[in-house]
This record gives sequence, structure tokens and C-alpha cells, in this order.
Amino acid sequence: DAKTTQPTSMDCAEGRAANLPCNHSTISGNEYVYWYRQIHSQGPQYIIHGLKNNETNEMASLIITEDRKSSTLILPHATLRDTAVYYCIARGSGSARQLTFGSGTQLTVLP
Amino acid sequence: DAGVIQSPRHEVTEMGQEVTLRCKPISGHDYLFWYRQTMMRGLELLIYFNNNVPIDDSGMPEDRFSAKMPNASFSTLKIQPSEPRDSAVYFCASSFDRAGYTFGSGTRLTVV
Repeated sequence: DAKTTQPTSMDCAEGRAANLPCNHSTISGNEYVYWYRQIHSQGPQYIIHGLKNNETNEMASLIITEDRKSSTLILPHATLRDTAVYYCIARGSGSARQLTFGSGTQLTVLP
Repeated sequence: DAGVIQSPRHEVTEMGQEVTLRCKPISGHDYLFWYRQTMMRGLELLIYFNNNVPIDDSGMPEDRFSAKMPNASFSTLKIQPSEPRDSAVYFCASSFDRAGYTFGSGTRLTVV
């Protein structure tokens, strides 16, 4: 699986959009980009995933650049409850099913 | 669905004792994963199963750790004997397809 690089920490004002970047410059054509988050003392929570098209669900939007070397997770209206560590993971579609978590980005939503 | 259920939520044990962590995956999910999380090492995959069969146990730290999945609705992670460095939060997760994993709430293990 391709290595991903994320900023260590970010702040966002409550009610504003939170844009979390992720670099995955070595991603291969069959690798999906997954986003998870972990709120303190809880298990990681799946947010969204995509291959090359932009994706949106009730939680967030995922924007993947055309060359697929980077992506951005967008939380459109951040709330205090969105404070968490956000993980960006690249994973292939082959038989290996495991997700490898990096250090992630600590997002702090400020009141 | 109640989600992935782990028990116990907290476990405190003395060094040298046997510890058994339990996990009930979501019904219908055919993959089950055990992760360990510490401040120093983050989230580490220990082992995962597909259709109750262990597929990759390369993350199991040593022979003191063992995991079983006797049926589709139950898995255990056993540490025998336990050591203080095993103190961590242990997560179980299950999945069916590429949509993503569902994690349990974790078991916080403290070995004194």
C-alpha cells in the first residue's frame, strides 16, 4: 500500500469547513483512498473512501486530484464533536484486506 | 445492529496471568481484525481472519499472543503470560466489503 503523508495537527473554527489534506504520491491505479477518524477513547470510525472520482456522503466529501497524488477530506460545517484524529489510508483492491494506520492529523475544532 | 461488541471494556491483571479478550463481529461480516493501540506505536494490526480462517498473523508480537475464531460470530485474543508491555487498548473490527471496517469500542488492558 502507498505511503500517505498528513499534517500532524490542524485547527478549525466551529461552523467553518475543515479541509484535511493527504499526500499519496506513490499511489497505484488500483489503490483506494480511505478516511477514518478516531475520537478520543473510541474505536476508529469509517468516514469515506474513493478511487478517482470525488465522493460525498452524510459525513464528509472526498476530493481526489486528477493525478490521484493527493486528496482532501472536507467536513463542511465542523462541530466540536468533530475534534478527532483523522487517518488517510491508501489500500489496494487485491486480496490483502488489512488497513495500515499512520499517525494521522489531530483536528481540533475551536468554539 | 449492535455493532462490533468487545468484552471486557477494561481489564487489569497481574504480570504472568492469562488474559482473554473477546469480540463479536457484525453479523454477515466475513473479515475480522485485531488491532492494538499504544501511544508509542499507534494502531498496529495484529492478525486478521477471513471466513474464520487466519490469513495474516505477522503482526502478532510473539508466541505469548494467540487468536482464534471458532465461528463467524466470535473471536478471542489471548495473552499468556501477560507482561506490563502488553498494556494497550485492543480493538476488534469487522468488515464485509470495501466499504470500510467497523471497530468495536476496544478493551483497555493494564498489566501490573
